Amino acid sequence: AQSVTQLDSQVPVFEEAPVELRCNYSSSVSVYLFWYVQYPNQGLQLLLKYLSGSTLVESINGFEAEFNKSQTSFHLRKPSVHISDTAEYFCAVNGVGGYQKVTFGTGTKLQVIP
Amino acid sequence: EAQVTQNPRYLITVTGKKLTVTCSQNMNHEYMSWYRQDPGLGLRQIYYSMNVEVTDKGDVPEGYKVSRKEKRNFPLILESPSPNQTSLYFCASSVGYNSPLHFGNGTRLTVT
Repeated sequence: AQSVTQLDSQVPVFEEAPVELRCNYSSSVSVYLFWYVQYPNQGLQLLLKYLSGSTLVESINGFEAEFNKSQTSFHLRKPSVHISDTAEYFCAVNGVGGYQKVTFGTGTKLQVIP
Repeated sequence: EAQVTQNPRYLITVTGKKLTVTCSQNMNHEYMSWYRQDPGLGLRQIYYSMNVEVTDKGDVPEGYKVSRKEKRNFPLILESPSPNQTSLYFCASSVGYNSPLHFGNGTRLTVT
């Protein structure tokens, strides 16, 4: 069994300030980790992923996330947010090996304040 | 353009009236799945399909049916919709079950 916890349902932050969206997971097997972003009235889009290798992964629009196996975390960070980053962000975990369904967190709404 | 297409985007119906939400992908993906999104609950998987004619239940399959007769299509069928099925539905596909998902734009269903 696996689960994902996103404790913060909403995170307000001023424009150009840094932000961290927290994600913790539990799993009995090794995992792949994902962050998806959902803009208003749209489907989810992949933001970044950790499959193997370097524990620090980056997206093309300045977000980064670090896989921390000992703390079972995959927090999402951005050093300076823009208005256009306002969206809902979902952390997801997928077990490695065989069919392991993907489990999503409950989402964190990032509200960037001008 | 690679995409997952769902139709309709919005649907209002009455209790008990059968409906189908269509989903089609043009990426030759083997894996497809359906999710419902409800406030505070995130995304929950309804059904998934590993390939043509191979489907299985997700976390919340009650009241739903699916079929996978062709690789590109994966319709979601509600034989007798009820108000508790009012939700935002997403279809998704991927190259394989451990690969990142590509999502459609969603179908907002209201059952009165």
